[in-house]
Amino acid sequence: AQSVTQLGSHVSVSEGALVLLRCNYSSSVPPYLFWYVQYPNQGLQLLLKYTSAATLVKGINGFEAEFKKSETSFHLTKPSAHMSDAAEYFCAVSANFGNEKLTFGTGTRLTIIP
Amino acid sequence: NAGVTQTPKFQVLKTGQSMTLQCAQDMNHNSMYWYRQDPGMGLRLIYYSASEGTTDKGEVPNGYNVSRLNKREFSLRLESAAPSQTSVYFCASSARDSEYFGPGTRLLVL
Repeated sequence: AQSVTQLGSHVSVSEGALVLLRCNYSSSVPPYLFWYVQYPNQGLQLLLKYTSAATLVKGINGFEAEFKKSETSFHLTKPSAHMSDAAEYFCAVSANFGNEKLTFGTGTRLTIIP
Repeated sequence: NAGVTQTPKFQVLKTGQSMTLQCAQDMNHNSMYWYRQDPGMGLRLIYYSASEGTTDKGEVPNGYNVSRLNKREFSLRLESAAPSQTSVYFCASSARDSEYFGPGTRLLVL
């Protein structure tokens, strides 16, 4: 069985500061890991995904995440926060790539302080 | 190319009423999914369909039924709605690269 834990349900950062959203996973098989973003009253949009090709994954909007097997982590980062980054972010894990049944974390709401 | 569409966008039901949430995708994806989103709980899988004609239970299937009408459409039915089913429901479809989500249906059961 797979699961993910997102540390911090709310994170606030100043505009221009580093964004760090934490995700730890548990999986009995090599995992496939995803980060999704949800803007208010919208569906989820894929930010990036890890599928074992490279441990550092770059996504849209300047976000990236690094897969660290030793730490069972897949933290999301962005060097400089923009006001438009304010949203809720979900980490998700799947055991199968191509027929994803995603197991989601509980989400982290990111607030950007002007 | 509309992606994943869902109807209705918003619905209010009384306890015991039934309704069907509709979902359609135009990306020729084999796999489709229904999730519910509740505050502080993330998204939880209700049912999924790996291909036309097949459906399987997810994490929280009780109180729901689904129909994979054809490759494009995957509907979710509440036979007798309960207040615990108040939630936001998302449909998704997937290819090998990722899942694509619809805009959601907000359901309020009184």
